[in-house]
Amino acid sequence: DAEITQSPRHKITETGRQVTLACHQTWNHNNMFWYRQDLGHGLRLIHYSYGVQDTNKGEVSDGYSVSRSNTEDLPLTLESAASSQTSVYFCASSEDVPGLGKLFFGSGTQLSVL
Amino acid sequence: GNSVTQMEGPVTLSEEAFLTINCTYTATGYPSLFWYVQYPGEGLQLLLKATKADDKGSNKGFEATYRKETTSFHLEKGSVQVSDSAVYFCALQTSGTYKYIFGTGTRLKVLA
Repeated sequence: DAEITQSPRHKITETGRQVTLACHQTWNHNNMFWYRQDLGHGLRLIHYSYGVQDTNKGEVSDGYSVSRSNTEDLPLTLESAASSQTSVYFCASSEDVPGLGKLFFGSGTQLSVL
Repeated sequence: GNSVTQMEGPVTLSEEAFLTINCTYTATGYPSLFWYVQYPGEGLQLLLKATKADDKGSNKGFEATYRKETTSFHLEKGSVQVSDSAVYFCALQTSGTYKYIFGTGTRLKVLA
């Protein structure tokens, strides 16, 4: 069965370190998204991609970057981790149907920045 | 701009009680509307959707009707179960785009 997987599930890091969170999907979707989930804020969009070599900033992109070198993967990098980036991170992909596409989510990465 | 507003939680109900979670939206054009559910320790999954005014989405006993005149998409279930305990997110997707806008989520706790 097709799926979307995130790794690691849990990560503890120190302030100032570079961290990369992996996301891999086997749905063959062109559209991929990274969200962070925080209490009181719900889900906020960090970055998204509509295909290979395409990346775009979301509403909370400062301090994060992504790259898309193939269809299956969209890694999220925190350039210099800050305590404000402690959060649960979700990767998602969606069907190529504008305005109607169902989102498929990974199980999330709990990141703690100490 | 586009936005989604959900009622604050948590909502605590007894088993077999009636559930309503309110959701209103602001959007240009004619968005599609969705409810996603997040069970503990998992990612979100689609619960139901409606793509035009007066459409009713339904799944697993949950229902929501797309009301354009009140810009609302309230989630209802006639008789909740303990297994319905989760966080529920209302969301919209504007026509011609792939991006979603989510509400802040409403936590539901159902007691036996």
